[in-house]
Amino acid sequence: GAVVSQHPSRVICKSGTSVKIECRSLDFQATTMFWYRQFPKQSLMLMATSNEGSKATYEQGVEKDKFLINHASLTLSTLTVTSAHPEDSSFYICSARDPMKETQYFGPGTRLLVL
Amino acid sequence: AQSVTQLGSHVSVSEGALVLLRCNYSSSVPPYLFWYVQYPNQGLQLLLKYTSAATLVKGINGFEAEFKKSETSFHLTKPSAHMSDAAEYFCAVESSASKIIFGSGTRLSIRP
Repeated sequence: GAVVSQHPSRVICKSGTSVKIECRSLDFQATTMFWYRQFPKQSLMLMATSNEGSKATYEQGVEKDKFLINHASLTLSTLTVTSAHPEDSSFYICSARDPMKETQYFGPGTRLLVL
Repeated sequence: AQSVTQLGSHVSVSEGALVLLRCNYSSSVPPYLFWYVQYPNQGLQLLLKYTSAATLVKGINGFEAEFKKSETSFHLTKPSAHMSDAAEYFCAVESSASKIIFGSGTRLSIRP
């Protein structure tokens, strides 16, 4: 079964609103989680690394004030898209690293549509 | 920095034919390499993973990949394509910071 879940799986919001996406590791404690974005017919681009108990580290070109990441517990990381605009519409995928197995597991993704 | 390059954004083969999807890596240290598959409107599914235990890695659904250090390659193969294999395939490498970096992807089409 799935070891990483994402919620919601799909979300439609109005331009200017904020959207929160949750990523949970179900069977293990993940000190590190990652957030990716995938535009249609493109590859996955790493946005940021989410570290439990500390600030996230963002990849070059990703606005940290736009994409707020909170890794409040060892099983939960959240990505909040603030003041969303149509160009933020994308498929957002998280992954969680199981340090005991040295393996990353990917969530099923969240499809965001901003109108 | 580690990276992967996938040669060919689109590959089309006949049903029953050999599937070969190409991936070359760039890494200064022995890398962890992966192949993932993504079906339309779905998340990623891990096909196989290379961790230096064996150069020939067998994965799910009949796929396998061979790590060739001399060629810095990690090509994905399947002896006989099925219609259900039509999907997007991503080669990826794990960096020293545990980040997984993806290639640009190859769309595999299967002709009846």
